[in-house]
Amino acid sequence: DGGITQSPKYLFRKEGQNVTLSCEQNLNHDAMYWYRQDPGQGLRLIYYSQIVNDFQKGDIAEGYSVSREKKESFPLTVTSAQKNPTAFYLCASSRPTGGKETQYFGPGTRLLVL
Amino acid sequence: AQSVTQLDSQVPVFEEAPVELRCNYSSSVSVYLFWYVQYPNQGLQLLLKYLSGSTLVKGINGFEAEFNKSQTSFHLRKPSVHISDTAEYFCAVSGRSGGYQKVTFGIGTKLQVIP
Repeated sequence: DGGITQSPKYLFRKEGQNVTLSCEQNLNHDAMYWYRQDPGQGLRLIYYSQIVNDFQKGDIAEGYSVSREKKESFPLTVTSAQKNPTAFYLCASSRPTGGKETQYFGPGTRLLVL
Repeated sequence: AQSVTQLDSQVPVFEEAPVELRCNYSSSVSVYLFWYVQYPNQGLQLLLKYLSGSTLVKGINGFEAEFNKSQTSFHLRKPSVHISDTAEYFCAVSGRSGGYQKVTFGIGTKLQVIP
């Protein structure tokens, strides 16, 4: 079955620590996205990538970094510069079709600060 | 610029009653609209989408939505809800912005089905 996997399901971060969230898709989609979800705020875009080796900042990129070395993978690193990292993180992917793309989501990773 | 307004943060409804979840949007370009459902601690699942054509769109789990251009609305409806419909529902608008697909989500509406 095709889909998007995210790991781990729960992640704990100590102060000053960088942590990496994994996102893998086997849908053969070119575009991938990372969103942050906080209660009552909907989804906010952190980073997106339209093709391998290219990515762009979204609306709330500060304190985060990404890489896109393979089409299937788009890992997100939450750095120590992100002062309020506790949130639910969602990865999505889509096949570019001129704005009509449907984004498909992974199951999410919940990040908690110790 | 594009935006989405979900007018109700929570909607309680009795089981087997009808429900409407309201969504209004604004967009300066071609409009593509989506409804997603999210169960607790899970990702978003696509319910339905409007890209073009018929303004009445049918989706999974018995949901449907109507695109109304004059009222800039895309309300979600179900004639008879079930306990399993308890979840959070997100309306979204999509368009090309700066060369990439920009999707703007509403803040969500929590549907609580009461037995």
